[in-house]
Amino acid sequence: AQSVAQPEDQVNVAEGNPLTVKCTYSVSGNPYLFWYVQYPNRGLQFLLKYITGDNLVKGSYGFEAEFNKSQTSFHLKKPSALVSDSALYFCAVRDMNTGFQKLVFGTGTRLLVSP
Amino acid sequence: DGGITQSPKYLFRKEGQNVTLSCEQNLNHDAMYWYRQDPGQGLRLIYYSQIVNDFQKGDIAEGYSVSREKKESFPLTVTSAQKNPTAFYLCASQGQGFYGYTFGSGTRLTVV
Repeated sequence: AQSVAQPEDQVNVAEGNPLTVKCTYSVSGNPYLFWYVQYPNRGLQFLLKYITGDNLVKGSYGFEAEFNKSQTSFHLKKPSALVSDSALYFCAVRDMNTGFQKLVFGTGTRLLVSP
Repeated sequence: DGGITQSPKYLFRKEGQNVTLSCEQNLNHDAMYWYRQDPGQGLRLIYYSQIVNDFQKGDIAEGYSVSREKKESFPLTVTSAQKNPTAFYLCASQGQGFYGYTFGSGTRLTVV
């Protein structure tokens, strides 16, 4: 089965420091990978995706993610965290085993950026 | 602006009552999805629809029903058979190609 794992329930970082939110995946074939962000009582907002091409993907709000095939990882990164980045982050992978375009989501990682 | 509108934002249900959550999109997307979000469990797929008048069960369809009579609309009914309906419900849509989903802002359902 296609799946993603987010090993950290919460990540704490000080404002101005770099941040990393981890995601590993398990898929058959080449993965389609996504990161979404959710603010309280809101829907998910798309941050970035990896389909093919460069392993470093740049997305919205200064976020980027590095695709690493050998480690089956797709970690989300930002060079300098902002307090406003505090939110819930979800990694997702397209389930290639179904006949429709289903996304399988991780359990989410809460990012807390302190002033 | 194009997007997905979910209503209401908050909904309270009494025991044994059916309630319907609305999801409307003006993105001209063919595919629509309903997810349930519970703390620590991520998002779980309830139902999905790839075209009008067609829909399929997802991973946790028991106690839910949907319809897709119009391309723009994909309402979800939470029936009395759903024993633990308190959750945050998210509707999403997706157009041609695969560029991920567009999500609505969600409906928080609480059983009282």
